[in-house]
Amino acid sequence: EPEVTQTPSHQVTQMGQEVILRCVPISNHLYFYWYRQILGQKVEFLVSFYNNEISEKSEIFDDQFSVERPDGSNFTLKIRSTKLEDSAMYFCASVPSSYNEQFFGPGTRLTVL
Amino acid sequence: GENVEQHPSTLSVQEGDSAVIKCTYSDSASNYFPWYKQELGKGPQLIIDIRSNVGEKKDQRIAVTLNKTAKHFSLHITETQPEDSAVYFCAANDYKLSFGAGTTVTVRA
Repeated sequence: EPEVTQTPSHQVTQMGQEVILRCVPISNHLYFYWYRQILGQKVEFLVSFYNNEISEKSEIFDDQFSVERPDGSNFTLKIRSTKLEDSAMYFCASVPSSYNEQFFGPGTRLTVL
Repeated sequence: GENVEQHPSTLSVQEGDSAVIKCTYSDSASNYFPWYKQELGKGPQLIIDIRSNVGEKKDQRIAVTLNKTAKHFSLHITETQPEDSAVYFCAANDYKLSFGAGTTVTVRA
């Protein structure tokens, strides 16, 4: 069964450093999402991506964040200058079409020191 | 935007008993309501979903009900087993998913 994959599973970085979280969505899916989950809190929407552009973003997704689909298969989330409060699980999800099941990846645990 | 409230935050049941988790949502435009199960260290996995043109849906031991007028939906797990122990999230889709805060379910053997 196809699945969403994410790398790395755990990323440790120093405050102020740039990180890139990578996702490989399911191949025939059209919509892509990033969510984050701070430890013990609810899963929060960050950004959605369709047709090679951002379709919606939350207040969390400020200028420090960017997304890219560089090669038609990978979907990346970049945080330019990490802050302590960016420490969280980051989940990628993909959807074949809108209003359908979102398939989540296993997540990347980001720890900012 | 959409606001999803979920109750209870923790639920402990005896194996074989039923578990019920309730959610409310705020945006009447939402029309897709999935439930996710999250085990430790893993991403959310869809267990059942319901669309706004349906009032109830069942899949073996799991059922979901939806009351669009009252803007609430519920997850029912019958004959609970130890492997049902996990965190369960409800969500509402107004294009993006808005999640509830989660319910930690513990099934006591």
